[in-house]
This record gives sequence, structure tokens and C-alpha cells, in this order.
Amino acid sequence: EAGVTQFPSHSVIEKGQTVTLRCDPISGHDNLYWYRRVMGKEIKFLLHFVKESKQDESGMPNNRFLAERTGGTYSTLKVQPAELEDSGVYFCASSPGRGPYEQYFGPGTRLTVT
Amino acid sequence: LAKTTQPISMDSYEGQEVNITCSHNNIATNDYITWYQQFPSQGPRFIIQGYKTKVTNEVASLFIPADRKSSTLSLPRVSLSDTAVYYCLVAIRMDSNYQLIWGAGTKLIIKP
Repeated sequence: EAGVTQFPSHSVIEKGQTVTLRCDPISGHDNLYWYRRVMGKEIKFLLHFVKESKQDESGMPNNRFLAERTGGTYSTLKVQPAELEDSGVYFCASSPGRGPYEQYFGPGTRLTVT
Repeated sequence: LAKTTQPISMDSYEGQEVNITCSHNNIATNDYITWYQQFPSQGPRFIIQGYKTKVTNEVASLFIPADRKSSTLSLPRVSLSDTAVYYCLVAIRMDSNYQLIWGAGTKLIIKP
């Protein structure tokens, strides 16, 4: 069974540019989560999809971040325009259930904004 | 507002038992505590989960005291390959959804 995949693995962009991160969850997992980890800090929840619907987007930092999950399959997270503080590792996870269900994480996308 | 606190780092030696404690105030009776392990350049990986007393699986045990203000991940007889970052996660039930609160992670270094 294929695991959660994320693309790209690394991205280096300049302040003000746009970047789109992609996550492909495990097939059949309705729940998809986006997280961000800034160096030395905790993993911070960004948002949670159930199928194509945003169940909880309370962790999204501001309106420069836009997440979509078309058709309830893969998801994208767009940052536009990127700021220096957006640098970090963005993780995607999928789960067959919400809340305490085991989450399966992708390898993450390391975003560096210069 | 719930918060999880873990030690930043720990050292131990091969063959020893390692206990990592996570403090989490303001969690309810049925709120779950989950531990994840993360190796460099990988995403976190589920280790163990519970919400009361003790849970044991093939890799770890999780102890949750009655007051539920903390929980302890216990790794028996660690090896060098257990060197990783360990995260505590609390899932707090809120209406029909859950609030996910992650700790900052404990960097565990196992020495020969």
C-alpha cells in the first residue's frame, strides 16, 4: 500500500513569490491534515479536511494560505505571497478517522523563503 | 486551554529503559494521548495511544496516571536505532470535532 506522498520535497523561493505544495493521501482516507513545523518549535496544526470539505481551518495563519482538496483526493496548500516567517517543514497526514485515529504522515516539504 | 510540555532532549544508553514524560493540563476523561516517533527527513510515525491507565504494544508502553495531568512513554531496552524525536499529541474532543495539540518534541539520543 502506498503511503502519503508530498511534492516537492524541498522548495526555495523568494519573499513575495507563490508556492504550491501537494499532498497525496493514502487511498480511502477521508481525513487529511496539514501541519507546519518551524525549526525548534512544535508541530502546529493548520487545517483538517474530511473528504473535500474543510472541517477545521483554525490553524491557518492568515489569508495568504489557501488549501484545497478537489474531489476529496489529493490536496494542495498554496502560499501567496510568501513571507520569511513561512519557512519551515510542511507535513501532510491522512487518517481513516478523525481525532485520535492514527495519522499517517508524508515525508514533508521543506520550504525556505529567502 | 490545553498545552503539552515535553523535555527538549534526553540521552540514554543501549539496553536501558527510557521514559519520556509529557505534561498536559486541562484534558478530559476521554481525551486521547498519542505518541509519535520521527526520524530525520521523515514524517512522524505512530507509536502508541491511550486515554487511561496503561497501554502496551510490541514497541512501547504508555502510562497515564489517574489525574491525567501527564503521561509517560516507556521504551524498553533501547537500541541505537531508537535515536529520534518523540512527540506527544493530545486530541481534545470539542463538540463533533477534535483539537489536536502537539508537544514540541523530545530529541532522544541513544549512545553505545
